[in-house]
Amino acid sequence: QSVLTQPPSASGTPGQGVTISCSGSSSNIARNYVYWYQQLPGTAPKLLIYRNNQRPSGVPDRFSGSKSGTSASLAISGLRSEDEADYYCSTWDDSLSGYVFGTGTEVTVL
Amino acid sequence: EVQLLESGGGLVQPGGSLRLSCAASGFTFSSYAMTWVRQVPGKGLQWVSTLSVSGIDTYYAVSVKGRFTISRDNFKNTLYLQMNSLRADDTAVYYCAKDRSHVNGILDGFDCWGQGIMVTISS
Repeated sequence: QSVLTQPPSASGTPGQGVTISCSGSSSNIARNYVYWYQQLPGTAPKLLIYRNNQRPSGVPDRFSGSKSGTSASLAISGLRSEDEADYYCSTWDDSLSGYVFGTGTEVTVL
Repeated sequence: EVQLLESGGGLVQPGGSLRLSCAASGFTFSSYAMTWVRQVPGKGLQWVSTLSVSGIDTYYAVSVKGRFTISRDNFKNTLYLQMNSLRADDTAVYYCAKDRSHVNGILDGFDCWGQGIMVTISS
């Protein structure tokens, strides 16, 4: 059972934007950095956002992250077909003394 | 190029043991915390265990604590996961992942993942 809650799905047409929410608690998101991972079909996850809103080298600026209180969000602007993937948020949980992942959101480009 | 390559997966009977290995290359392995994450096919990601840079601090998910042991051999640039008393619900693809942090005591997300190795627990 995941500690972080995400919507199961999100969709948009090419060029549109989508936002994925990640809801946590005072023991995880509120106190620690949030990370976002993209998992393309049949592949390993890839780091998309680190430390709430930082993009690793090579990640397009169409992807942006934010955090407020016990929640975080990933925004994708200018949707492209190659953005179809599962997206997971993650953070450290101080009560569990471990990383936790979100339930995952499947993004579909219509 | 940073690379992680898992091995050691396979089919094991319930109650059995298995040791996963993760061979690292392209970075100073001894300087980074390392983690195992698993994923039941078609399901979400589940964190399993993390080993600190020093190799002293270990962290485990409740579901595997007492049954799994994470370790590293810095001379062989290899991360291990010893899995004992395996159960059907341990069936998953297991990924090893490199932490962004090279500071002992700081964990900072996973910037490199292996391709994953399948572990199946069944009689």
